[in-house]
Amino acid sequence: AQKITQTQPGMFVQEKEAVTLDCTYDTSDQSYGLFWYKQPSSGEMIFLIYQGSYDEQNATEGRYSLNFQKARKSANLVISASQLGDSAMYFCAMRLAGRRALTFGSGTRLQVQP
Amino acid sequence: SAVISQKPSRDICQRGTSLTIQCQVDSQVTMMFWYRQQPGQSLTLIATANQGSEATYESGFVIDKFPISRPNLTFSTLTVSNMSPEDSSIYLCSVGQGDEKLFFGSGTQLSVL
Repeated sequence: AQKITQTQPGMFVQEKEAVTLDCTYDTSDQSYGLFWYKQPSSGEMIFLIYQGSYDEQNATEGRYSLNFQKARKSANLVISASQLGDSAMYFCAMRLAGRRALTFGSGTRLQVQP
Repeated sequence: SAVISQKPSRDICQRGTSLTIQCQVDSQVTMMFWYRQQPGQSLTLIATANQGSEATYESGFVIDKFPISRPNLTFSTLTVSNMSPEDSSIYLCSVGQGDEKLFFGSGTQLSVL
């Protein structure tokens, strides 16, 4: 069965600095997708970035990039130039091909300090 | 991206009652899902809402407790039946557009007294 592991319950970062949120996954499937979501205190889930298992380039979306290391089964989220509004919970998730729903990690609470 | 309207945004309910949560999407989507997020926890899939047929439930979730309807490709409801305080959670609907996009509604914060 697939599993997503986020080992950092909480992280602190200074405003304007970069931060890396860790995510490792476990699956024997060759085809899968990896997602990152942001959940502010309001509770909504905001889609940030997607990486397909066959994508050779790391995904980027503005200040977000995904450091995809397939052999190590890791999909870390890098946030550059942190802003106070980045303070939130961040969830890594995986979807297997043929299974449409997501499996989520336990999340990392990021706090950006001025 | 799809615009998802989820109602109500929050509710406080008495134990033993039921609450129906609505999820409306501004475009037709093939995939709709319902998730639960218990306090301080991650998201857990309740079921996949199938258009025109019974929902597909995950282990630990049953139709009698969480009946789901999906009458068309833009709308679904989740009912939380015979509620107890353990049902206090955020309930989120999610829709899929292709393989790369999975979006969530704003969630329903449910408190059961």
